[in-house]
Amino acid sequence: DIVMTQSPDSLAVSLGERATINCKSSQSVLYSSDNKNYLIWYQQKPGQPPKLLIYWASTRESGVPDRFNGSGSGTDFTLTISSLQAEDVAVYYCHQYYSAPYTFGQGTKLEIK
Amino acid sequence: QITLKESGPALVKPTQTLTLTCTFSGFSLTTSGVGVGWIRQPPGKALEWLALIYWDDDKRYSPSLKSRLTISKDTSKNQVVITMTNMDPVDTATYYCAHRYALQAGGAFHIWGQGTLVTVSS
Repeated sequence: DIVMTQSPDSLAVSLGERATINCKSSQSVLYSSDNKNYLIWYQQKPGQPPKLLIYWASTRESGVPDRFNGSGSGTDFTLTISSLQAEDVAVYYCHQYYSAPYTFGQGTKLEIK
Repeated sequence: QITLKESGPALVKPTQTLTLTCTFSGFSLTTSGVGVGWIRQPPGKALEWLALIYWDDDKRYSPSLKSRLTISKDTSKNQVVITMTNMDPVDTATYYCAHRYALQAGGAFHIWGQGTLVTVSS
């Protein structure tokens, strides 16, 4: 199984400041055949299902604000929120869909400082 | 517009079998590249992928739960059913179904249902 490890487990950032969440996979999730990283970032607010923010590690889903950016390749990935807004308070998960079993990180809880 | 909705019992007893149904609209599970998966989330904990069924009836299971899971589809009813045997209190979780399509969002679990909370208790 590919183990996904996020850091930190929780994060408090001031409004308007940058938030950075890291995700490391135990194996590469880069498919050589299409040169794409099969890495997703989800946002989950209390009582709601996860919402897809970023796929292929860096492609923003339609409708997602451009303050959300994904980067990285292979085994190391980062989600950056460039200017934190109050509505960004949530738990963020990375997820690999490179190979079954499709695993998730443990989540990073983002709060306002 | 794609929607999915999970249904099933809110409470099951230990050792019982859980059967959950995902009823969907806005897509067909006969379309090449389409799949429906199940993911669960214990209260306050992380997400865990359980199973996935594709349009061609290819099925994938979490190895740690494979012996207890069965996933199936009924394309005429637009439903996917998952059964989990020998339920235990540690299986208490919100169970989600989710849509994936090879040509949308990179083939990720793109659209999720609202989830259904299943509590395992005697």
